[in-house]
Amino acid sequence: GAVVSQHPSRVICKSGTSVKIECRSLDFQATTMFWYRQFPKQSLMLMATSNEGSKATYEQGVEKDKFLINHASLTLSTLTVTSAHPEDSSFYICSATGAITDTQYFGPGTRLTVL
Amino acid sequence: GQNIDQPTEMTATEGAIVQINCTYQTSGFNGLFWYQQHAGEAPTFLSYNVLDGLEEKGRFSSFLSRSKGYSYLLLKELQMKDSASYLCAVRGDYKLSFGAGTTVTVRA
Repeated sequence: GAVVSQHPSRVICKSGTSVKIECRSLDFQATTMFWYRQFPKQSLMLMATSNEGSKATYEQGVEKDKFLINHASLTLSTLTVTSAHPEDSSFYICSATGAITDTQYFGPGTRLTVL
Repeated sequence: GQNIDQPTEMTATEGAIVQINCTYQTSGFNGLFWYQQHAGEAPTFLSYNVLDGLEEKGRFSSFLSRSKGYSYLLLKELQMKDSASYLCAVRGDYKLSFGAGTTVTVRA
């Protein structure tokens, strides 16, 4: 299957700082990337969908000014959590689909802890 | 809206068979996916059904009935490493909606 990477895998930051998470498709061109958040023992909740070169589409209840998404190329999307607070602590996972596959392939996830 | 139901937990013995059911009521249907997720890791793709019937892939099989809004994932010859959460996900237009996941515990 297709390979998607995320960086960093784990980050600890102070409240009020911003954190950037990168999602890369390594062996295919990702026309669409998705960002999810998962709290312990809960399922994945879609935060936003981004298409290369376009503004991201955010799900209801997700603040677009707090969770900045950029999808500048067919292999890279970034999620920036601005002015992070302890309640933003979660597991953030990206996934990607391409022109040749409808299946979403997931990155390994980023564990964010805000102190 | 999307409503996807699957059991919370299942326990089975090594070498046995377990069937995880998933029922869904969604606005639009463009396929059903099953993913496996180990604790602290991202989901990995297991199977995809868009037409009615059974898809077999090694020890894992997945079945779909669109008229009944029903799918199951069948795990055969269970191994200890199969202990994980199994997520049923339905694609509407382009987005995936996930069920809460079924935690399968395999015991020796």
